[in-house]
Amino acid sequence: QQQVKQSPQSLIVQKGGISIINCAYENTAFDYFPWYQQFPGKGPALLIAIRPDVSEKKEGRFTISFNKSAKQFSLHIMDSQPGDSATYFCAASSANTGNQFYFGTGTSLTVIP
Amino acid sequence: KAGVTQTPRYLIKTRGQQVTLSCSPISGHRSVSWYQQTPGQGLQFLFEYFSETQRNKGNFPGRFSGRQFSNSRSEMNVSTLELGDSALYLCASSPAGLLPYEQYFGPGTRLTVT
Repeated sequence: QQQVKQSPQSLIVQKGGISIINCAYENTAFDYFPWYQQFPGKGPALLIAIRPDVSEKKEGRFTISFNKSAKQFSLHIMDSQPGDSATYFCAASSANTGNQFYFGTGTSLTVIP
Repeated sequence: KAGVTQTPRYLIKTRGQQVTLSCSPISGHRSVSWYQQTPGQGLQFLFEYFSETQRNKGNFPGRFSGRQFSNSRSEMNVSTLELGDSALYLCASSPAGLLPYEQYFGPGTRLTVT
């Protein structure tokens, strides 16, 4: 059973546009929601993370929006650049699951010049 | 600070053999987690070690095992390799015992089983 559902599977955005990736979860015990960026041949790199006590967190061009009642969270990449082309993973975890992260299936983002 | 290092980066093994992968966490980090990444199953949690003790284990067969040393370095072992074990094995370290906490991934070890 997929604990975290991620969409879309792939996304093509024009340079300068906004990229939006969505994730949904079922386990209400989850209380930590990170996003990772992965380039081919590399390990995932932590981009930004949020805890459910806030509804939004922004770091540079990256913003997480969190909707606790809907059990959804999303990543917005503003002013998307070709260098942002990568695979993005959302994840969720809780103290109850130790440090086990449940990952979404990934979104392949392509930003075209 | 140096990041998470994993050795070897690439490995080719034959079905039935065993393999040991190594991970050195970021200096000062005490928690090490292992994940398997495949195109079909994505990123799946194997196990986590904290202070040399396995704190959590994912849904993998007993052929997958690990350990952590007093310097927080960790190894994972896969015995009796199967073709389906071909994957990218990722190690992630976390800075503290407070859960849940951010995880920083290494570059991974690409294991190919033939």
